Order: sequence, then C-alpha cells, then structure tokens
Amino acid sequence: SQKIEQNSEALNIQEGKTATLTCNYTNYSPAYLQWYRQDPGRGPVFLLLIRENEKEKRKERLKVTFDTTLKQSLFHITASQPADSATYLCALEGGGKLIFGQGTELSVKP
Amino acid sequence: GAGVSQSPRYKVAKRGQDVALRCDPISGHVSLFWYQQALGQGPEFLTYFQNEAQLDKSGLPSDRFFAERPEGSVSTLKIQRTQQEDSAVYLCASRTQETQYFGPGTRLLVL
Repeated sequence: SQKIEQNSEALNIQEGKTATLTCNYTNYSPAYLQWYRQDPGRGPVFLLLIRENEKEKRKERLKVTFDTTLKQSLFHITASQPADSATYLCALEGGGKLIFGQGTELSVKP
Repeated sequence: GAGVSQSPRYKVAKRGQDVALRCDPISGHVSLFWYQQALGQGPEFLTYFQNEAQLDKSGLPSDRFFAERPEGSVSTLKIQRTQQEDSAVYLCASRTQETQYFGPGTRLLVL
C-alpha cells in the first residue's frame, strides 16, 4: 500500500544548528513533493515544492532535496531559530489531491 | 486578497447532531479541498471540487459526510448524525497552480 513516513519522534535542537527532517515514501511515483509548516491551531502553510527532476531547492535558510531512487526527501533549516519551532509536513500529490505524512514536530531551544 | 476563511472555528456537538462547516476560499481559486486532521497526524483528504463540480469524494469516511459548492465559491461540509470518531480538525484549502492555501480549520468535538 502507499505510505509516507516522517521522523516519528519530535526533533529538539539548539538555536543556530541545522535541523534535518526526513520524508520517506513507498509505492508512489510523484511528479513533485511539497513541504508545509503548521503551527498549533492553524492550517498548514506552504514552504517549498521540489519536482522529480530537481535534486535540490533552496529558499532563504531552507533547503530541500529529493531522491526518487531512494524515495526520500530531506528538509533542512540552517541557522535555526526558536521561531522555526513548529510541525513540518511533507506531502505528495496523487490524483490532484495532497497526501500528507504525519508530520515532525521541531523544537528549537535558545 | 484575504486568505481562506472557515467558520465556525470551534464546534461542540452532541452525538447524533448534524453539523455544517463553512469554507470561503481565496477569490478566483477554482479548486477547493477538504481535509480531516486527527490529533498528532497529518491532514487526510476528504473531497475535492473544481468550480461547482465535486470531482473526487473518495476520502469521505461514510455517507454521513456530504460536501457541496453550489456556486463554485463557498463550500459547506455537512456531517449528519455525528459520532465521537468524527472529532477532528476539518481543514479547507484552495489551490492555485500546485500550491494549496489552507484555512485555519474548524475544530469539531463530538460529545
């Protein structure tokens, strides 16, 4: 069956360090993959999209990689800040709809 | 313009009660989606509209769930005879190109 898995445990890091979040999927061949941020009590907010023919994409302190052979995406936040604390969701598009992982909760300590 | 709005933000219903959740998408967005999000989980797809046409309702968990978008803008998700397992956050999103823009969600608690 189709499955998307993210780091199941919360990630705690020190301010200034790089946070790396993982998204693995099986039984999909997505044309692209997206990352969203979700704060408590709010809806997800789009961060980045990476296509199957792109290895890496950057936006400010964010970097996403996409390895279609490993069926994995890595999401990096460099020089992390306490304001980066949130839940991060990866999502694949399948048949016009988004299929989400369960999310990884990131906590950045000052 | 304004983002996606949803109302009510919170709803407490007694088991067996019918509820209606409203979504106002971003003006001009043709595609509209409903998702259900359980605590600690990612959103799960419920249904999808393109204008007023409901193109995919494969995620609706039972025939107690019904969605409509009669004029291709505002959408309503109705849940009949609510059950405790319906307690969740219901998210609406509208889309332009590949990006979905989410509303704040309606948190439904069924007692």
